[in-house]
Amino acid sequence: DQQVKQNSPSLSVQEGRISILNCDYTNSMFDYFLWYKKYPAEGPTFLISISSIKDKNEDGRFTVFLNKSAKHLSLHIVPSQPGDSAVYFCAASPMNRDDKIIFGKGTRLHILP
Amino acid sequence: DAGVTQSPTHLIKTRGQQVTLRCSPKSGHDTVSWYQQALGQGPQFIFQYYEEEERQRGNFPDRFSGHQFPNYSSELNVNALLLGDSALYLCASSSRGSGRGYNEQFFGPGTRLTVL
Repeated sequence: DQQVKQNSPSLSVQEGRISILNCDYTNSMFDYFLWYKKYPAEGPTFLISISSIKDKNEDGRFTVFLNKSAKHLSLHIVPSQPGDSAVYFCAASPMNRDDKIIFGKGTRLHILP
Repeated sequence: DAGVTQSPTHLIKTRGQQVTLRCSPKSGHDTVSWYQQALGQGPQFIFQYYEEEERQRGNFPDRFSGHQFPNYSSELNVNALLLGDSALYLCASSSRGSGRGYNEQFFGPGTRLTVL
C-alpha cells in the first residue's frame, strides 16, 4: 500500500520555466513532508521540507506547498536550470521525528535546453 | 567531513548466499537507518539503529538483520539471498536530539547488490 504517491514517473520542462512536481499521501499521521533529489550513483540529497502546520515553505528557487485537506503537496522550481535534472522523491515522516521516512517512487525531471 | 560512506560500492552474489554491507555515519550522527531501493521504486525503510539497538523496523523478513557498533557505524546482513533482493541499499544517518523538528537524514551513495 503506497502511502506516498508520485503519479508522474517523468516530467520535461524547458530551461527557465517553472517545474511543478506533485505528490499525494494517504496517512493523516504524517507530520513532516520532505523532498529529496537524487543524481545517478549518488544517494538522495535533502532539498526542502514542510511541517504539517504550514502550507508553504520557500528556499531560494524551491517552494513546497501543502494542502492538508486534499492530502497533496507540490514542489515548485523556478526558474528551472539544467542542474535540476534528477529524480525527485517526495517523502513523509510520522509525528515521531525520529521515525522512518516513507518515500514515493520518484519523478524524473528533465530540463530541456 | 566525509559524509555518509558505504562499502562496498557494488557486489554480486548468488542465490542462497549471505551478504554484509557496511555504513559509516556522518560525523556527529548517532542514528543509522537502512533502506532498500529496487529498480523504479523509491527507497523502502528496512530498519533503524540507535544506541546499538534496532529501534524501528519496516516490512522486511528476518533474513534482514543489522548491527550498530559503539562508534555508530552499522552493518546490514542479508541471509539466504533471493533474486528479489537485488537492489540499491542505502544507509542514512541522522542525529537524535538535533533540535530539528523533522528527521533530516543524510544518505550515503549506496551499495548496488546483484543476486544471480
